[in-house]
Amino acid sequence: GAGVSQSPRYKVAKRGQDVALRCDPISGHVSLFWYQQALGQGPEFLTYFQNEAQLDKSGLPSDRFFAERPEGSVSTLKIQRTQQEDSAVYLCASSLAFSGNTIYFGEGSWLTVV
Amino acid sequence: QQPVQSPQAVILREGEDAVINCSSSKALYSVHWYRQKHGEAPVFLMILLKGGEQKGHEKISASFNEKKQQSSLYLTASQLSYSGTYFCGTEERGSNAGGTSYGKLTFGQGTILTVHP
Repeated sequence: GAGVSQSPRYKVAKRGQDVALRCDPISGHVSLFWYQQALGQGPEFLTYFQNEAQLDKSGLPSDRFFAERPEGSVSTLKIQRTQQEDSAVYLCASSLAFSGNTIYFGEGSWLTVV
Repeated sequence: QQPVQSPQAVILREGEDAVINCSSSKALYSVHWYRQKHGEAPVFLMILLKGGEQKGHEKISASFNEKKQQSSLYLTASQLSYSGTYFCGTEERGSNAGGTSYGKLTFGQGTILTVHP
């Protein structure tokens, strides 16, 4: 596609509910990142995929957060038993290769946990 | 540890200039600059890969002082469309060949730029 596409754009979840956020990166991009952005803050790294391999998940805040990219293209970020502190914008980004390449961001999925 | 941006906010009139600074405590491989408007994706402005490198994009340019682990973004003759929050994202030197990592960025807290007519 022309850019990084994310869905849903907006999600309201009741506390305790599971959510799944989808990212469709730019076609052919090897690297895929998930970031979490709280209101008024810069994006914070969650996890990184190189093709289908999850090489870094050091930023995932708890074991309730899980990400996958089974075929090396589309990725899903899953949050189980959502809590109010999970409310944030979840940004997906992709890059053609590795270091020193432009990283393109999607518009994000806005999650509100009530 | 995230890089520190200064100033936190800038208010300009159209046509005025601004400088936004980004400072890291880590050895850096690259610095990326983004502009984000409310409710929108961060938009890539430029990437600086080598110490001392300066890049330009229309009336927006940037420099990277590798030794000081600092980068600055220069906005000249500002336009209304420049309003938004500017973020620097730093890529730390890693253990891969050439001192690279895989592109993971650590972002500063942002600088809010407002341009008035």
